[in-house]
Amino acid sequence: GQQLNQSPQSMFIQEGEDVSMNCTSSSIFNTWLWYKQEPGEGPVLLIALYKAGELTSNGRLTAQFGITRKDSFLNISASIPSDVGIYFCAGQVGGNNRKLIWGLGTSLAVNP
Amino acid sequence: NAGVMQNPRHLVRRRGQEARLRCSPMKGHSHVYWYRQLPEEGLKFMVYLQKENIIDESGMPKERFSAEFPKEGPSILRIQQVVRGDSAAYFCASSPPWQGANTEAFFGQGTRLTVV
Repeated sequence: GQQLNQSPQSMFIQEGEDVSMNCTSSSIFNTWLWYKQEPGEGPVLLIALYKAGELTSNGRLTAQFGITRKDSFLNISASIPSDVGIYFCAGQVGGNNRKLIWGLGTSLAVNP
Repeated sequence: NAGVMQNPRHLVRRRGQEARLRCSPMKGHSHVYWYRQLPEEGLKFMVYLQKENIIDESGMPKERFSAEFPKEGPSILRIQQVVRGDSAAYFCASSPPWQGANTEAFFGQGTRLTVV
């Protein structure tokens, strides 16, 4: 099935460092979403992007919707131990059907 | 306002048995989505339902899997004659009716199915 290309697959960083991860697709999406998933839990929405070129922040998180609508990145600044988890990008064609196509995730480990 | 409720959280079935997974959407949400997540992988779309209607089942396996969202009660994902390969986390998400942009789906905590 269709899937987004997400990288890197995993990251091991020191507390206080900045983190960057990205997603690409061969298809155009009208909405890009970034989720965080912790062990044993469901995905939690972090940032939603609706317009090509849009740059949106949520606290220490910043995400951008690529101008071609085929890519997006997520930055986390000044990482803290509770940032640990798996980060997923997801694309949505849009309209009434909010079916999501997902990346494979970026596993983030933060060393205190 | 309770979130999306899924039960059970964990389900163990022997090969050949049936698994029934339930999802109660958030209050006011009439759209339900089911996803499957295999270990170390992202989520894969299975089916999108509105009350009493299947809208998109393009991700559902053709055999043994079915889903419903009745007028009253939770949405049910049913897997008949389970096999080991069905072991996965199954997530449900719900959303309100379409009202334009910026209305995303919210996820439940998932049901972890283990087939032994």
